[in-house]
Amino acid sequence: QVQLQQWGAGLLKPSETLSLTCGVYGGSFSAYYWTWVRQPPGKGLEWIGEITHRRRTNYNPSLNSRVSISVDTSKNQFSLRLSSVAAADTAMYFCARTNYGSGSLDHWGQGTLVIVSS
Amino acid sequence: DIQMTQSPSSLSASVGDRVTITCRASQSINSYVSWFQQKAGQAPKLLIYSASSLQSGALSRFSGRKSGTDFTLTISGLQPEDFATYYCQQTYSHPFTFGPGTKVDVK
Repeated sequence: QVQLQQWGAGLLKPSETLSLTCGVYGGSFSAYYWTWVRQPPGKGLEWIGEITHRRRTNYNPSLNSRVSISVDTSKNQFSLRLSSVAAADTAMYFCARTNYGSGSLDHWGQGTLVIVSS
Repeated sequence: DIQMTQSPSSLSASVGDRVTITCRASQSINSYVSWFQQKAGQAPKLLIYSASSLQSGALSRFSGRKSGTDFTLTISGLQPEDFATYYCQQTYSHPFTFGPGTKVDVK
């Protein structure tokens, strides 16, 4: 049974750096891409980026200059950093597993609400 | 970026109804489409992958089809627990993009 559990600071001031971590419990860590998705309140889903256990990354160009995803294979964890946050970055952030075999995001974390406010 | 145009944006239906939601991709994306169900305060749940394959654990009243660049999700016999928002997503090319969602509520 695969479970993703995520954690991180939920309240930030403008210009600070968002930092979230997702732990993967159960299943293979090396066979998948590990993904971040966000959802502003009342709005739709936005794909942020992904990473493999070999640290190969893909990012959404809309966030490319501010986003960084890293991985700690010794702990089966991966992390998101988003610099210079603004109110527009207020959202629920989800981690997820991307299964390229099926081309789908098949397991998700519970979500972390991040609010950016002065 | 590949745009996923989803329709309708919302619909009202009754228990037992057959509901169909459509996503149109802005270019050919083979069958790299997934469908998700999201309820308030919860993470999205994968229902369909590869346009028409039912995810393990998803109920058989959910089905998906592909016709060219049009993709449909059908709920055959809507149940009370199916009132939710549904999203499509393409995983053909980066950045992976989602449709804007379809909210299914009670008529």
